[in-house]
Amino acid sequence: RKEVEQDPGPFNVPEGATVAFNCTYSNSASQSFFWYRQDCRKEPKLLMSVYSSGNEDGRFTAQLNRASQYISLLIRDSKLSDSATYLCVVNRGGGYQKVTFGTGTKLQVIP
Amino acid sequence: EAGVTQFPSHSVIEKGQTVTLRCDPISGHDNLYWYRRVMGKEIKFLLHFVKESKQDESGMPNNRFLAERTGGTYSTLKVQPAELEDSGVYFCASSQGLISGNTIYFGEGSWLTVV
Repeated sequence: RKEVEQDPGPFNVPEGATVAFNCTYSNSASQSFFWYRQDCRKEPKLLMSVYSSGNEDGRFTAQLNRASQYISLLIRDSKLSDSATYLCVVNRGGGYQKVTFGTGTKLQVIP
Repeated sequence: EAGVTQFPSHSVIEKGQTVTLRCDPISGHDNLYWYRRVMGKEIKFLLHFVKESKQDESGMPNNRFLAERTGGTYSTLKVQPAELEDSGVYFCASSQGLISGNTIYFGEGSWLTVV
């Protein structure tokens, strides 16, 4: 089983739609969680950290469920500019940072 | 403030040749990481430096890959001799301190094609 699993998609959604991605992780000792965004042929960039209490940044909401070992990302009112690959990133922690990436979920927002 | 910079941005070499990739982390970042993404696969961890010391090199694929970080500043990743399956994008990243929640910042990647 992969340490971090994501549905690779693609998710094709119309502008204005709400879309949700899930990501599961296998290591119950994982300590911190992130969503990164990667545009085509570009480097990953931090979108948001994910906290147990959930966090929201504008149209984006991230949630963590430690009991079920998954994190989610909800995008409301999708824009064309949201088209990208969304990477689930899990940090094992344990005194130093070692992050593991999911394969990424590709989102295409259609006019 | 400058971000993580990588050089070269693109490289095309023949099988059997040597390539050296360089990474300059964000100033003051003790942690430096190398990651690789080959075609169609997820980004995979190669190794992690804390200052000049290799903290974890469990992701290095084989002994054709050698990473160094002399003086705890910039790092190099040498592939010698390069094989076709080494083609992909090599990302360097850095972060500050050892707290697990610290943001990891990526460079734009070095795109390697071995022909």
